[in-house]
Amino acid sequence: GAGVSQSPRYKVAKRGQDVALRCDPISGHVSLFWYQQALGQGPEFLTYFQNEAQLDKSGLPSDRFFAERPEGSVSTLKIQRTQQEDSAVYLCASSLDRGLNTEAFFGQGTRLTVV
Amino acid sequence: QKEVEQDPGPLSVPEGAIVSLNCTYSNSAFQYFMWYRQYSRKGPELLMYTYSSGNKEDGRFTAQVDKSSKYISLFIRDSQPSDSATYLCAMRRGSEKLVFGKGMKLTVNP
Repeated sequence: GAGVSQSPRYKVAKRGQDVALRCDPISGHVSLFWYQQALGQGPEFLTYFQNEAQLDKSGLPSDRFFAERPEGSVSTLKIQRTQQEDSAVYLCASSLDRGLNTEAFFGQGTRLTVV
Repeated sequence: QKEVEQDPGPLSVPEGAIVSLNCTYSNSAFQYFMWYRQYSRKGPELLMYTYSSGNKEDGRFTAQVDKSSKYISLFIRDSQPSDSATYLCAMRRGSEKLVFGKGMKLTVNP
């Protein structure tokens, strides 16, 4: 596709439920980032992949959060035993490589509401 | 204290006004400075990108970086209703993750 695609666009989960959020980066993009954006806040870094390697997961808020990119393309962010504080927009971004002048393109995000 | 501080507003201006948006930061290691625009229920899109100190102009938009003061600005000339959005400053060290400000919600009234 032409841009970064995320699905679902909206997800309502009951507290304690597991969820999986999908990101389809731009074809050929090596780098992939996940960010969390709470209401009225700027995006906060969660994790970063270069191809299939997860190089930085320092932003994952707890061990309930897990991300993978097994074939270096599509990525999935999984949240286990969701809590109300997990309610946020989850943004995925991809860039061509890890070069210093490489622009990151964002998807539209998945809005997760935990009830 | 957050690494990047941005007044969240909101800011409301009449059409045609000059808009000034600002961020301050505490980490002197930041080298790359960006401004993103985010429309409601959309992902951020890159508006301006600057390396180190200086000015950069692109049409009605001018980005300024003052590393000595740890202060960056975005100016929008002849603002239009279509400029109504949330403006996020972001910065990074080298090729690392982006660190964002809170975002300033701007409304340009016709």
